[in-house]
Amino acid sequence: GAVVSQHPSWVICKSGTSVKIECRSLDFQATTMFWYRQFPKQSLMLMATSNEGSKATYEQGVEKDKFLINHASLTLSTLTVTSAHPEDSSFYICSASPASGGRSSYEQYFGPGTRLTVT
Amino acid sequence: ILNVEQSPQSLHVQEGDSTNFTCSFPSSNFYALHWYRWETAKSPEALFVMTLNGDEKKKGRISATLNTKEGYSYLYIKGSQPEDSATYLCALRSNDYKLSFGAGTTVTVRA
Repeated sequence: GAVVSQHPSWVICKSGTSVKIECRSLDFQATTMFWYRQFPKQSLMLMATSNEGSKATYEQGVEKDKFLINHASLTLSTLTVTSAHPEDSSFYICSASPASGGRSSYEQYFGPGTRLTVT
Repeated sequence: ILNVEQSPQSLHVQEGDSTNFTCSFPSSNFYALHWYRWETAKSPEALFVMTLNGDEKKKGRISATLNTKEGYSYLYIKGSQPEDSATYLCALRSNDYKLSFGAGTTVTVRA
């Protein structure tokens, strides 16, 4: 149980194009989803917190116009990297927290991540 | 985002041996500490959530302790097996449910 999928698992795109990454909770409803980024040999860094039906909250230093987040349903959040540049090349990973009343709402269940390479 | 440190960055252990490693964090405003196990190309798997000073949790051959007053947690692997090879992440949870991660300890178990 508590399975989170992410698609695609890897993507290569050209500089200036946009890339959409999907995060789905497969067997539970998630009121909150989180998006992280990891550069080589560094820790997972929280980019933004996404609540179903409302605007995402971005961490300091993360451009909301560049990293568009949509959390349209209780099982799906998307991250769109707009006008991607080589410095956006990174590992992006999402997590989902269950809605209350089911599994512990404080736990975060992670997807397997997406490797983005911008050429 | 809070400063969480893990050491060592990596370690090699012989199959059958036991090992342990550390997660250090600010001791003020502690809410909870999470441990995850992350194998390559898979999702991080939740191991433990620890909330109370002196907590000890166990899952099979893996156990963890927590000292919130001095700001550290140890993770122990007893009788390491090749399938224990993974990166172990700790994360400090703040009152707004956000997680601040350490960079992880990568464990390689040699047969």
